[in-house]
Amino acid sequence: DSGVTQTPKHLITATGQRVTLRCSPRSGDLSVYWYQQSLDQGLQFLIQYYNGEERAKGNILERFSAQQFPDLHSELNLSSLELGDSALYFCASSVELAAKTQYFGPGTRLLVL
Amino acid sequence: AQSVTQPDIHITVSEGASLELRCNYSYGATPYLFWYVQSPGQGLQLLLKYFSGDTLVQGIKGFEAEFKRSQSSFNLRKPSVHWSDAAEYFCAVGMSGNTPLVFGKGTRLSVIA
Repeated sequence: DSGVTQTPKHLITATGQRVTLRCSPRSGDLSVYWYQQSLDQGLQFLIQYYNGEERAKGNILERFSAQQFPDLHSELNLSSLELGDSALYFCASSVELAAKTQYFGPGTRLLVL
Repeated sequence: AQSVTQPDIHITVSEGASLELRCNYSYGATPYLFWYVQSPGQGLQLLLKYFSGDTLVQGIKGFEAEFKRSQSSFNLRKPSVHWSDAAEYFCAVGMSGNTPLVFGKGTRLSVIA
């Protein structure tokens, strides 16, 4: 158990819908990262937040957004969902902004029908 | 941009046999190097990491990895594989500063009796 929690574990929804994925980092970790894992693209970095502020952006679609709250938990919002958004979404956390060791949560498996 | 190559998509080994999973990276300076393992339906668990110093690093579950600068490699090894080692293994690379980790596509390990 990494100490990173993610909810829900599974999510099934329809195209065009909006969903919110939640992540709680390890106690004391200020940095939260979101990744998308799909069969064709592998593990892709989406976005990073540190102490409530966005600090790095990767291959994140405009339909996707994230935020980190004062209690340091983070949410990833996915809207106007398409079939191709079906994937595993991971959250990871680390202690510092540029800390290299990231600890991953169990993931949320999203299925868009 | 840095890249990570895991040449073997799928490897099958017999229980008790030795294992070596290959990882090559492309980056000008010495990066930070990681191996993660993902069991079916689970998140990524950190096996080991290399930042500097001794080029042979020990990890959890009896795994070790050796950094070879001349070959830009960070291969993962285990002397005797157990059936519970069947999983997907990911090599990842990080750079200094606040830059995201870059992951390889993964190597799926199957263990047969």
